Amino acid sequence: QLQLQESGPGLVKPSETLSLTCTVSGGSISSSSYYWGWIRQPPGKGLEWIGSIYYSGSTYYNPSLKSRVTISVDTSKNQFSLKLSSVTAADTAVYYCARNDFPGGGMDVWGQGTTVTVSS
Amino acid sequence: EIVLTQSPGTLSLSPGERATLSCRASQSVSSSYLAWYQQKPGQAPRLLIYGASSRATGIPDRFSGSGSGTDFTLTISRLEPEDFAVYYCQQYGSSPPSYTFGQGTKLEIK
Repeated sequence: QLQLQESGPGLVKPSETLSLTCTVSGGSISSSSYYWGWIRQPPGKGLEWIGSIYYSGSTYYNPSLKSRVTISVDTSKNQFSLKLSSVTAADTAVYYCARNDFPGGGMDVWGQGTTVTVSS
Repeated sequence: EIVLTQSPGTLSLSPGERATLSCRASQSVSSSYLAWYQQKPGQAPRLLIYGASSRATGIPDRFSGSGSGTDFTLTISRLEPEDFAVYYCQQYGSSPPSYTFGQGTKLEIK
């Protein structure tokens, strides 16, 4: 059974870089036809797609975040990672990783989510 | 960028009733690229419907999706107690390649 688990610091200072990793277990990140994505949800608000990556390294980013986002993949560790630079309080959210049946199959397997707070 | 607007914001119904949730797009969306999710408090979203009308694995047949162009609907035929949650629609657009979500509809017990 495929499982995804987010990990990383729960507290990040303003202007610094948020870094999270998603570890995939029970399956290979190198599966064809699937991308791997990051989605976030600010407290009490809706969902926002951040970006998605294929195991080859091909990426798609939310245009509104593109200048600050880098998503990378490490197939040897079955992991993919998110870096979001120059964070502000507006980046405080629950961050989810998910398997992305690109483009139209939806995000069918999700991690449990990890809360990241931006505060000094 | 395509904007998805969901209505109503909150829907109050009783178990056993039929729920109809709407998702309207600011411009035409390929039916192949429209999905619906359910989210309960403290949990990750769960994929219900993809391709506008295909149920995801393990989703009960009381959930159905329909629509095309700019208007899409999620219908829950007979509400079960576990169906009360927030529902989001999502679309994929290719110019530029990106996903957007609607703002959500909260389905609450009346």
